[in-house]
Amino acid sequence: QQPVQSPQAVILREGEDAVINCSSSKALYSVHWYRQKHGEAPVFLMILLKGGEQKGHDKISASFNEKKQQSSLYLTASQLSYSGTYFCGTEGSGGTSYGKLTFGQGTILTVHP
Amino acid sequence: DVKVTQSSRYLVKRTGEKVFLECVQDMDHENMFWYRQDPGLGLRLIYFSYDVKMKEKGDIPEGYSVSREKKERFSLILESASTNQTSMYLCASSLSSGRSSYNEQFFGPGTRLTVL
Repeated sequence: QQPVQSPQAVILREGEDAVINCSSSKALYSVHWYRQKHGEAPVFLMILLKGGEQKGHDKISASFNEKKQQSSLYLTASQLSYSGTYFCGTEGSGGTSYGKLTFGQGTILTVHP
Repeated sequence: DVKVTQSSRYLVKRTGEKVFLECVQDMDHENMFWYRQDPGLGLRLIYFSYDVKMKEKGDIPEGYSVSREKKERFSLILESASTNQTSMYLCASSLSSGRSSYNEQFFGPGTRLTVL
């Protein structure tokens, strides 16, 4: 079952902050975040693992609440380049392997000058 | 830099045709994935492969098959294309190294397939 992302879309002005949420109905082992600009391939942003390990870009922050099966991506002091569609991908604990992810439906972020 | 390439950016086929989508990665990744992307549905996994000649079904394998004869190449096959397979198809690869969960996926640019 796909994780649910919220909001579906968000519009910001440069410098404003945004939070994108990803919620799953099953126990998770890892959460990945990707950004896709229009007409381009999705690009890696963050990985968060059960137990607290994280990997990702310095300017991006995220959290992973293992008990609630939720993750949030925090975009602070947004720039025009942050515009795009953000996807979370989740990996279930114990039931999957090889880094198989189930992606959410995406959140469209638009940053205006 | 990892590079994932796909054989075509745009493809138009007729209903009933056999369609091959090719994906090649140049970083010796063990894992390779095929997704389709549709508006409002995000990325949905069709098939993936964790080694040469090894494959596993994803969430929506019906109507598709795959082939991985060489480590760097992963092909998606539509045996008899139908209009509901019109979509954007994305290929991705990732390193395994025993900790696949900790390794990001690198995506190709996608193939927009239209089935008439």
